[in-house]
Amino acid sequence: SQTIHQWPATLVQPVGSPLSLECTVEGTSNPNLYWYRQAAGRGLQLLFYSVGIGQISSEVPQNLSASRPQDRQFILSSKKLLLSDSGFYLCAWTPMKGGLYEQYFGPGTRLTVT
Amino acid sequence: RKEVEQDPGPFNVPEGATVAFNCTYSNSASQSFFWYRQDCRKEPKLLMSVYSSGNEDGRFTAQLNRASQYISLLIRDSKLSDSATYLCVVNEFGDDKIIFGKGTRLHILP
Repeated sequence: SQTIHQWPATLVQPVGSPLSLECTVEGTSNPNLYWYRQAAGRGLQLLFYSVGIGQISSEVPQNLSASRPQDRQFILSSKKLLLSDSGFYLCAWTPMKGGLYEQYFGPGTRLTVT
Repeated sequence: RKEVEQDPGPFNVPEGATVAFNCTYSNSASQSFFWYRQDCRKEPKLLMSVYSSGNEDGRFTAQLNRASQYISLLIRDSKLSDSATYLCVVNEFGDDKIIFGKGTRLHILP
């Protein structure tokens, strides 16, 4: 069966510090991968998605970046965090292409920028 | 116009009652539809897919109205454990970007 992992579960970082969040999927190959952010009491905001290694689509201009160095690994990074980067970061995957399949989420990382 | 719209609620419903909420979408080319459930401070989890002919899973019924471009979720005999935020999800054939609504909050009252 497929599983998705995210770490760390919680993170407290000062403004201006770097960020690296990792997501890995097991039990599947060539999935679509997604990064979302959910601010407190708000909806999901799609940040990035990837349909393959090295292929990243950015949805919202910001100080974040994403990379997919391996088929089942998706990394979210920032060189300098802002207070507004606080939120619940969720990684998700879909088993197939073309948008016809359901999406599965990891447990998320709760980031607080102080 | 927003792509996927939901009434944010909250819907405060007594235990045992039936509750329904809708989600409207703007892209007529949308092909797949889902309802997700999100508990407080947790990740969204798939509740059910929505098929063209409508589908039922226990106390939950989902329906699609393509002419009016909305999907609905009906919960019968509501339980306290149904309290959550329900997210509507829509996407278009061939599009790898999946659109989430902002969710409808449901509170089941004892």
